[in-house]
Amino acid sequence: EPEVTQTPSHQVTQMGQEVILRCVPISNHLYFYWYRQILGQKVEFLVSFYNNEISEKSEIFDDQFSVERPDGSNFTLKIRSTKLEDSAMYFCASSVGQPLNTEAFFGQGTRLTVV
Amino acid sequence: AQSVTQPDIHITVSEGASLELRCNYSYGATPYLFWYVQSPGQGLQLLLKYFSGDTLVQGIKGFEAEFKRSQSSFNLRKPSVHWSDAAEYFCAVGAQAAGNKLTFGGGTRVLVKP
Repeated sequence: EPEVTQTPSHQVTQMGQEVILRCVPISNHLYFYWYRQILGQKVEFLVSFYNNEISEKSEIFDDQFSVERPDGSNFTLKIRSTKLEDSAMYFCASSVGQPLNTEAFFGQGTRLTVV
Repeated sequence: AQSVTQPDIHITVSEGASLELRCNYSYGATPYLFWYVQSPGQGLQLLLKYFSGDTLVQGIKGFEAEFKRSQSSFNLRKPSVHWSDAAEYFCAVGAQAAGNKLTFGGGTRVLVKP
C-alpha cells in the first residue's frame, strides 16, 4: 500500500540552526501539506502546496519557514533559524485532489527537538 | 473561524465493550467532518468522513460516526472494541470557504483493558 514517508523520525537541533524535514508523498498525489503538533496541543495546519507553489499558509508559517519540492518526489520543510518553540511533531500529508473531497494521507511524523 | 472540541482527553474501555468518542465543531455552514486515528509510531489514518447525504457514516475497522447538525456533533462509535483499537483519535473539520486546511481537535487517547 502506498504511503507517505518522512525522514528523519527524530531530529535534535540547536537553537538558531537550520533544519530540513523531508517527506516523500505518494507518487500520483498533487497536493502536499505540512502540519505540526506541539506536545500536548492540537495538530495545526502550516502550509499547503500545489502546482509548485504555496496555495495556503497559516499565521504560524512565517518567514522562518519555507517549503520546496526540489526534484518532483521529495517535499521539504525548512526552518531557517530554529527556536525552542519550534519543538513539535511535524506531519507531512498528500492527496490526489482537494483534501475535502479526497483522502489526505499522513506520514508518521518527524519529532523535532530544539535545544 | 472553524473549531473542533474533543471533550475527553483519555478514555479507558474494556475489550469487547462499546466505545463512543465525542466531537463538537463550530462552523457556520455545513462542514466536512473527519475522524483520524494515530497508532503509536504511525501517521494519521483516515477512519471516515462526512460531507453530505446519510448522516450515519461507516468507516474502516468497524467504526461509524453520526453527524447531528442540531448538536454540532460528529461522534465516533464502535460496538465492540478490540485491543488493537488502543490509539489516539482525532476529529477534524474542513470547509471549502476555509481553503484546503483541516482543523483538528485536541485528540482523545483510548486505552483498552483486557
